[in-house]
Amino acid sequence: DVKVTQSSRYLVKRTGEKVFLECVQDMDHENMFWYRQDPGLGLRLIYFSYDVKMKEKGDIPEGYSVSREKKERFSLILESASTNQTSMYLCASSLLRRSYGYTFGSGTRLTVV
Amino acid sequence: QKEVEQNSGPLSVPEGAIASLNCTYSDRGSQSFFWYRQYSGKSPELIMFIYSNGDKEDGRFTAQLNKASQYVSLLIRDSQPSDSATYLCAVKDSGGSNYKLTFGKGTLLTVNP
Repeated sequence: DVKVTQSSRYLVKRTGEKVFLECVQDMDHENMFWYRQDPGLGLRLIYFSYDVKMKEKGDIPEGYSVSREKKERFSLILESASTNQTSMYLCASSLLRRSYGYTFGSGTRLTVV
Repeated sequence: QKEVEQNSGPLSVPEGAIASLNCTYSDRGSQSFFWYRQYSGKSPELIMFIYSNGDKEDGRFTAQLNKASQYVSLLIRDSQPSDSATYLCAVKDSGGSNYKLTFGKGTLLTVNP
């Protein structure tokens, strides 16, 4: 089974802190994605990556950055956490240009106080 | 902005009934369509995918696709209380970012014993 592992299930951070969310997949997938999910707003794409060191902005990249130094790892960085970044963050991976869906990690519930 | 619209629900059906979930999409060039199930507090899991017009059956689940009408649906036969969840429709983008999925906001299904 493809496994996508997110490092933390729950996180509480203070406003202004730099926050790192880590995601690791073990199936050699080229594509990796970061979404946030909020009630009434659905899943919104923050950033995605189709190769090592490659990244593209999604629909809501403001306030976030990403890093992909190794194929299996995709990190989401909140440069200066704010309360409006309190959300569920979901990492996903998929094969490149194949008509397969995503496999999601279990999610990180981030609360910024 | 590519859009995926789902009836927001909630949808409530009695145990044993057929649940019908609907989705329309704006990207006329899309070729791949997915249904995810998300239990409360959990991450989405892929349950069905469909690429060709018509029906695709997998156990109690049937996905239906009509590309001319830009419409995809999911039927759940013999609904069980364990089917109670939010169902997300996802459409793979056509064009350059053809590995990116756009998600609907989901339909909450409740199956009453």
